[in-house]
Amino acid sequence: DGGITQSPKYLFRKEGQNVTLSCEQNLNHDAMYWYRQDPGQGLRLIYYSQIVNDFQKGDIAEGYSVSREKKESFPLTVTSAQKNPTAFYLCASSIGAPTQGMYGYTFGSGTRLTVV
Amino acid sequence: AQSVTQLDSQVPVFEEAPVELRCNYSSSVSVYLFWYVQYPNQGLQLLLKYLSGSTLVKGINGFEAEFNKSQTSFHLRKPSVHISDTAEYFCAVSDLFSASGTYKYIFGTGTRLKVLA
Repeated sequence: DGGITQSPKYLFRKEGQNVTLSCEQNLNHDAMYWYRQDPGQGLRLIYYSQIVNDFQKGDIAEGYSVSREKKESFPLTVTSAQKNPTAFYLCASSIGAPTQGMYGYTFGSGTRLTVV
Repeated sequence: AQSVTQLDSQVPVFEEAPVELRCNYSSSVSVYLFWYVQYPNQGLQLLLKYLSGSTLVKGINGFEAEFNKSQTSFHLRKPSVHISDTAEYFCAVSDLFSASGTYKYIFGTGTRLKVLA
């Protein structure tokens, strides 16, 4: 079955550490997205990518970085510059590009990051 | 800027009763509307979407939603809920937000539906 795999499911980070969240999809989707979810705030867009080797900042990109070296993979690095990284992180993909707003997203099952 | 409002943060309802989850968005010329469901510690799953045409949209799991342009609303309904419908529901708008023709999803803050036995 096609889908999005996020790993790990739970991640603990010490102060000052960088951590990388994995997102892999086998849906052959061009567009991929990273969202951050905090209680009572809905989802906020961190980064998105339309094609390989291209990505754009979303609303809350500060303290995060991404890469898109392969179509299937869109890892997110939470850097030490992100002051409040504890959250639930969701990766998504879409068959359509961000210039085609009518397509829904397929989401992974998320990674819960906690700073210890 | 486009915004999405889900006024009810929590909605308790008894099993087999009907439910309506409200969603309002700010007006826009070109907008697509979606409802997603999220079970605990899971990602979001698409329930239904409105692109154009009939204002009543049917989705999975017996849910439906009605697009009302004059009231800028897209309320989600189910005539008879089950315990398994207990989850968080998100309304989203896909809105044209740049001259380059890029659409952006804007999510509401979610409504937690709790179905009581």
